[in-house]
Amino acid sequence: NAGVMQNPRHLVRRRGQEARLRCSPMKGHSHVYWYRQLPEEGLKFMVYLQKENIIDESGMPKERFSAEFPKEGPSILRIQQVVRGDSAAYFCASSLPGPGLSETQYFGPGTRLLVL
Amino acid sequence: GQQLNQSPQSMFIQEGEDVSMNCTSSSIFNTWLWYKQDPGEGPVLLIALYKAGELTSNGRLTAQFGITRKDSFLNISASIPSDVGIYFCAVLNYGGSQGNLIFGKGTKLSVKP
Repeated sequence: NAGVMQNPRHLVRRRGQEARLRCSPMKGHSHVYWYRQLPEEGLKFMVYLQKENIIDESGMPKERFSAEFPKEGPSILRIQQVVRGDSAAYFCASSLPGPGLSETQYFGPGTRLLVL
Repeated sequence: GQQLNQSPQSMFIQEGEDVSMNCTSSSIFNTWLWYKQDPGEGPVLLIALYKAGELTSNGRLTAQFGITRKDSFLNISASIPSDVGIYFCAVLNYGGSQGNLIFGKGTKLSVKP
């Protein structure tokens, strides 16, 4: 059973360009979460989505960042007009509906974004 | 925002030694988790704790959920070189329906053969 898949693994963008990060959840998982990790830091929650719905985007910057999880296809985290401060590792996690063990979040390998 | 205080920040130990790290919070949480992250990879779940006072083992790893629901510790016995990595505590934060995770800043473990 394949785990959470993310691509690309590494992404280099110049300031002002757009970054698109993709996440395919584990088979059967309908909940997707995006986290950001700065160097030497823990992961910080950004957004939680179910199919076609944003459930909680309280951790996502109000401007330039958007996320979607369409009925078909992967979840996408989009960052428009990237700035150097967006350089970080972005992780996607997926889970089944809760509660208890079934809501355990499984993480993908991450996308490392570098903004030049 | 809510924070977890994880300590120590880093540890340098000899192979075969036992390791202990802990995590505290000013708020009560009902689910505590321990993850390990290898360089260039995502966090991997080691142990999940759902009940205050619960002590759970996974091989050489043992974790406890504090009785006050504000802390947890992780022990690794007889460390080996592949234990190297960053260990994160995390709690499940129920803001609405299903929760997101709040992470500690991590404990970086180095093991000398």
